[in-house]
Amino acid sequence: QKEVEQNSGPLSVPEGAIASLNCTYSDRGSQSFFWYRQYSGKSPELIMSIYSNGDKEDGRFTAQLNKASQYVSLLIRDSQPSDSATYLCAVRITDKLIFGTGTRLQVFP
Amino acid sequence: DAGITQSPRHKVTETGTPVTLRCHQTENHRYMYWYRQDPGHGLRLIHYSYGVKDTDKGEVSDGYSVSRSKTEDFLLTLESATSSQTSVYFCATSYGDSTTEAFFGQGTRLTVV
Repeated sequence: QKEVEQNSGPLSVPEGAIASLNCTYSDRGSQSFFWYRQYSGKSPELIMSIYSNGDKEDGRFTAQLNKASQYVSLLIRDSQPSDSATYLCAVRITDKLIFGTGTRLQVFP
Repeated sequence: DAGITQSPRHKVTETGTPVTLRCHQTENHRYMYWYRQDPGHGLRLIHYSYGVKDTDKGEVSDGYSVSRSKTEDFLLTLESATSSQTSVYFCATSYGDSTTEAFFGQGTRLTVV
C-alpha cells in the first residue's frame, strides 16, 4: 500500500463548477497535510495546508481533513481554466514529506 | 519565494558516468529533500536531510547518494548513471517543524543516454 494515494484523473469539470480532489494516507501518525499545484513544466507550489480535523478555507479553495478516515480533500469552487493543473497531496510523516502521484484537473470553458 | 537554486538546470550524460546535482538555499532551512518526478509516479523521495551531515534514505534511494556539509547546500550524486535515472529532479526545503510546508527549486532535467 502506498503511503499517499490519489486518483490520477484526469478530472474534467466545466468552468464555474466545483472540483473535488481526494487523497488518502496510510500512516495514522501523520500530522501535517498539504496540497500543491503544479503546472506543466513547472515546480510544485503550495496552495493549502491543514493540520486539524475539519475544513480550512482560503479564497476559492477549501481543504478538508478527516484523520479517523485518513482522508484529505481539496475543493475548488468556481473553477477556472487557469486552475487546470496537476494537484499533489503531500503528507508529513516524521521527517519525511511524502507525495501522492497527483490528480490532473482539466477545467473546460 | 524561497531562495532555492538548482544546478545544472539541464544535463545530458552518458550511461556509467557519475553525475552530481546541486541544491543551494539561502533561507537557512533545516530540512532539504531530493525528489524525482516521472510520468505516472508523481514525486518520489530519494534522500532527505534534517541537518548538516544528517541524511536519510527515501523510497527510491538505490543508485543515489547525498551529502550535506553546509546548511545551504545539498548534493545529489548518481554514482554511475543509468537510463532509468532519466528524470526531472526537484530539490525542496522546509524550515524545520512538522507544520511547515516545503518550497521547491526549479528542477533539473537529467537525460542519461
